[in-house]
Amino acid sequence: QQQVKQSPQSLIVQKGGIPIINCAYENTAFDYFPWYQQFPGKGPALLIAIRPDVSEKKEGRFTISFNKSAKQFSLHIMDSQPGDSATYFCAARLSGTYKYIFGTGTRLKVLA
Amino acid sequence: ETGVTQSPTHLIKTRGQQVTLRCSSQSGHNTVSWYQQALGQGPQFIFQYYREEENGRGNFPPRFSGLQFPNYSSELNVNALELDDSALYLCASSPTAGSTEAFFGQGTRLTVV
Repeated sequence: QQQVKQSPQSLIVQKGGIPIINCAYENTAFDYFPWYQQFPGKGPALLIAIRPDVSEKKEGRFTISFNKSAKQFSLHIMDSQPGDSATYFCAARLSGTYKYIFGTGTRLKVLA
Repeated sequence: ETGVTQSPTHLIKTRGQQVTLRCSSQSGHNTVSWYQQALGQGPQFIFQYYREEENGRGNFPPRFSGLQFPNYSSELNVNALELDDSALYLCASSPTAGSTEAFFGQGTRLTVV
């Protein structure tokens, strides 16, 4: 299966909260897991990415946690801000290709 | 900004017509991929070009075709447009082989009426 399942579909948090977005996959031929942020009318922008041999990666306020045995990974946004309000997509890349399978997206709203 | 530019930004076509969308890759990138993003969905992989050759294809019919030029710019052509082809079309360029990053343009919003 080449699906990536993403949840929740939407999320509302207060400023300073820690929204968590989860993704799960079945295909073990994925070798790279990026997260993209997309604002209305814009293309997806690469936020942070992880390889399956690493369990956690942190860049600024964004952290990816990766559980290889469970085939799950998640995005945590620390100290969320209203400017973080956007749609977030997880993705997985098929090994040896540039083909990315995207999740269905999570619409995040951070209240001021 | 990713350095990937797409044109036009918006387009309205009639069912049955043909459309060409264009993408200028980031300098030095020799791989380009095209994605279709329906409203409220994640991008779906259409195909990828590497050094002017198609290098992978998703579950899209043959009326979706593409070209990559020697300067690594690219075109997506869609024939016999259907209403369901209405979507945001994204191109993504990647550096030379071995890189994992894909940088997306802002997309072309195609509406088929």
